[in-house]
Amino acid sequence: GDSVTQMEGPVTLSEEAFLTINCTYTATGYPSLFWYVQYPGEGLQLLLKATKADDKGSNKGFEATYRKETTSFHLEKGSVQVSDSAVYFCAIAGGGSYIPTFGRGTSLIVHP
Amino acid sequence: EAQVTQNPRYLITVTGKKLTVTCSQNMNHEYMSWYRQDPGLGLRQIYYSMNVEVTDKGDVPEGYKVSRKEKRNFPLILESPSPNQTSLYFCASSLFKSTGSIEQFFGPGTRLTVL
Repeated sequence: GDSVTQMEGPVTLSEEAFLTINCTYTATGYPSLFWYVQYPGEGLQLLLKATKADDKGSNKGFEATYRKETTSFHLEKGSVQVSDSAVYFCAIAGGGSYIPTFGRGTSLIVHP
Repeated sequence: EAQVTQNPRYLITVTGKKLTVTCSQNMNHEYMSWYRQDPGLGLRQIYYSMNVEVTDKGDVPEGYKVSRKEKRNFPLILESPSPNQTSLYFCASSLFKSTGSIEQFFGPGTRLTVL
């Protein structure tokens, strides 16, 4: 079945540092790829998505590129802020199954 | 405003006392699902529903029931809760697009503690 692997956290950074959270997947077919963010005490919100190879999703300074050849969808941000502290989930859907598959989540902690 | 609502947001109960967590969406989505979130395990799907009267098991269905009598509602039922069901629960409602893409909208979560 489909699966998503993302780097374990927590990731701890200083404000304005560069962020990368790795995500790789296995799936049959051509899934859509997603990053969700969960701020403390809240539900998951869609952060960005990409639906086909080489697409770049972007939102709030975050970016991720759909890399079919490496089956990856790494999340990046050039300069993180304290307000970016949250848990980030990589997810895929629409490949072998319409049922979305989530990674385990990566906690990001940004210090002033 | 498009949204998914869950109630209650917080619940403390005792072992064996039946409970229901409600979920409602106002987007006319056909697909709805329930997840539980546990530290180190991420999100695990409990049950999902492709449409009214169509439900199926997710990855961790044991100890849970669901029903889908109306499109907008998808309650999660714990007939006899146990402490290992202490968790954070999320309901999600999904839109399938003609491009094959899917967008999920999550409720705010229900934190359940079973003593």
